[in-house]
Amino acid sequence: EAQVTQNPRYLITVTGKKLTVTCSQNMNHEYMSWYRQDPGLGLRQIYYSMNVEVTDKGDVPEGYKVSRKEKRNFPLILESPSPNQTSLYFCASSSHGTKYNEQFFGPGTRLTVL
Amino acid sequence: RKEVEQDPGPFNVPEGATVAFNCTYSNSASQSFFWYRQDCRKEPKLLMSVYSSGNEDGRFTAQLNRASQYISLLIRDSKLSDSATYLCVVNAGGTSYGKLTFGQGTILTVHP
Repeated sequence: EAQVTQNPRYLITVTGKKLTVTCSQNMNHEYMSWYRQDPGLGLRQIYYSMNVEVTDKGDVPEGYKVSRKEKRNFPLILESPSPNQTSLYFCASSSHGTKYNEQFFGPGTRLTVL
Repeated sequence: RKEVEQDPGPFNVPEGATVAFNCTYSNSASQSFFWYRQDCRKEPKLLMSVYSSGNEDGRFTAQLNRASQYISLLIRDSKLSDSATYLCVVNAGGTSYGKLTFGQGTILTVHP
């Protein structure tokens, strides 16, 4: 089944404790992206990757890191999480960039930073 | 001004009604436009891409007005199952076309 998977789905952590949210897709998509969704603010793009070893900042990259060493994986790293990073996070992928292609989203990761 | 603006609603309409949403964008270099649908606490899913000439998919019609920098979504003969949040999505264009901006979303509730 074609899908985007994220792990963990739910995470409660404490300020300053490094964490990684994994994202994997099995559709051989070139493009992958991370978003956060907050009430009243909608979805905001954190980072995106047009292909392996190519990453770019979205609108809200501060406090996050990403890497794209393999085509299928695009982990999101929070080196020192803070309470303002409490949010619902979505990973997405699509083929040949997003110009005209559908983005497939993962099920989301709900992160709480205490 | 926000890059992508939508009326958050909520829109409450009876079954069978026709409802229209607008979305305005500020970046005139934007090249790609989409409408996504998001059900409560779920991931967004593509509803329609929006093409320059306008496009229709069953009860859904999307239009693009580049001169006024807005896109629209028209839903005819609303069904209960259309209740969701509708997200307008615009890309940055140029060499940054992978950079996407989502509108805040418009909440639609269709009632019997």
